[in-house]
Amino acid sequence: AQSVTQLGSHVSVSEGALVLLRCNYSSSVPPYLFWYVQYPNQGLQLLLKYTSAATLVKGINGFEAEFKKSETSFHLTKPSAHMSDAAEYFCAVRDFMEYGNKLVFGAGTILRVKS
Amino acid sequence: SQTIHQWPATLVQPVGSPLSLECTVEGTSNPNLYWYRQAAGRGLQLLFYSVGIGQISSEVPQNLSASRPQDRQFILSSKKLLLSDSGFYLCAGNVGDYTEAFFGQGTRLTVV
Repeated sequence: AQSVTQLGSHVSVSEGALVLLRCNYSSSVPPYLFWYVQYPNQGLQLLLKYTSAATLVKGINGFEAEFKKSETSFHLTKPSAHMSDAAEYFCAVRDFMEYGNKLVFGAGTILRVKS
Repeated sequence: SQTIHQWPATLVQPVGSPLSLECTVEGTSNPNLYWYRQAAGRGLQLLFYSVGIGQISSEVPQNLSASRPQDRQFILSSKKLLLSDSGFYLCAGNVGDYTEAFFGQGTRLTVV
């Protein structure tokens, strides 16, 4: 079964600083990986996805992630943090089952942006 | 575009009362549908998923059940709620094997 690990349950950065949220995956097959963002008491919104095309994936709101097979990583970055980026971020991997498929999520990382 | 409608947004229920949360999908047919529960610091736990009408797979044994009476309707139920059923419940869907999931806005359930 596939799994993901997000390093750091809380990350704090200053406004304008680099954002780096870490995600490592475990997969027995070429993975399909996703990053989602969640604002308080809301559903999850897709930021970006990796589906075996380009290893550097660009998403919404200036975020991007790089797939590194040798490191089994899919870290999320943004060059300059904005106050509106404060939210919880989830990394997820697609797990295929006998019937259908599912997303397996990491525990999440809460991003705090300081002014 | 694909949209999931989920209601209510918040719900406070006494221990031992029944539960019914409904999720409906717009903008697509034959979706895979999922119920997740979210607890603080623990990410999203998959409770149930369904690949079609009447088909339900359970990921974890618990006090809850799910049903899919129509292609675009997914219901989460309980006959008697426990305190431990409190949490944030999210309905999600996707089409095919290689697409991302889209989410409803969630229901905050508090069992008192």
